[in-house]
Amino acid sequence: SAVISQKPSRDICQRGTSLTIQCQVDSQVTMMFWYRQQPGQSLTLIATANQGSEATYESGFVIDKFPISRPNLTFSTLTVSNMSPEDSSIYLCSVEGGVGYEQYFGPGTRLTVT
Amino acid sequence: RKEVEQDPGPFNVPEGATVAFNCTYSNSASQSFFWYRQDCRKEPKLLMSVYSSGNEDGRFTAQLNRASQYISLLIRDSKLSDSATYLCVVIRTGANNLFFGTGTRLTVIP
Repeated sequence: SAVISQKPSRDICQRGTSLTIQCQVDSQVTMMFWYRQQPGQSLTLIATANQGSEATYESGFVIDKFPISRPNLTFSTLTVSNMSPEDSSIYLCSVEGGVGYEQYFGPGTRLTVT
Repeated sequence: RKEVEQDPGPFNVPEGATVAFNCTYSNSASQSFFWYRQDCRKEPKLLMSVYSSGNEDGRFTAQLNRASQYISLLIRDSKLSDSATYLCVVIRTGANNLFFGTGTRLTVIP
């Protein structure tokens, strides 16, 4: 499986500010995914990021709030814009394993908005 | 109706016990099925894929019943290190993202 790293691992931010989360993979992958896991909840897909095209957002998530970049096949960023306390969550990136569509996750970024 | 439903537990079992988790999915076109394990404050990690013929990996056995749209995970001879949340995950045919259950929390007690 791919080795995935995320930066930062955690942050505490003030409301109204923005945070960019980085996801780095040790091999080239076609698709990268961004998820959110709110306290006590399961994972919810935010968007799918393919290199060279606009990200595809799931219902309830919009580009203005969660802009995503995918400049190459090993890297992606997710920005959480104009944050509010409701954005406090763990944000995870993932990549496909390539065999049976299973995915492998980065360690996550724990965001607290005050 | 949720795409994937699991009993949230918690399941508290003694060491050495056998425990089973169940999961149902709503879309009959679903194609791929997995169990993930998530430790506290960690990312989900793939435990095993689930096949129609059933599959076993050591103490872990996964079963899929397509007719009933039902997935199960059996853990035999539970260890303290098995304590975690177990997530049932389903991929719908043609989709390239995962639908997660809310997870079943297991605590193995000495």
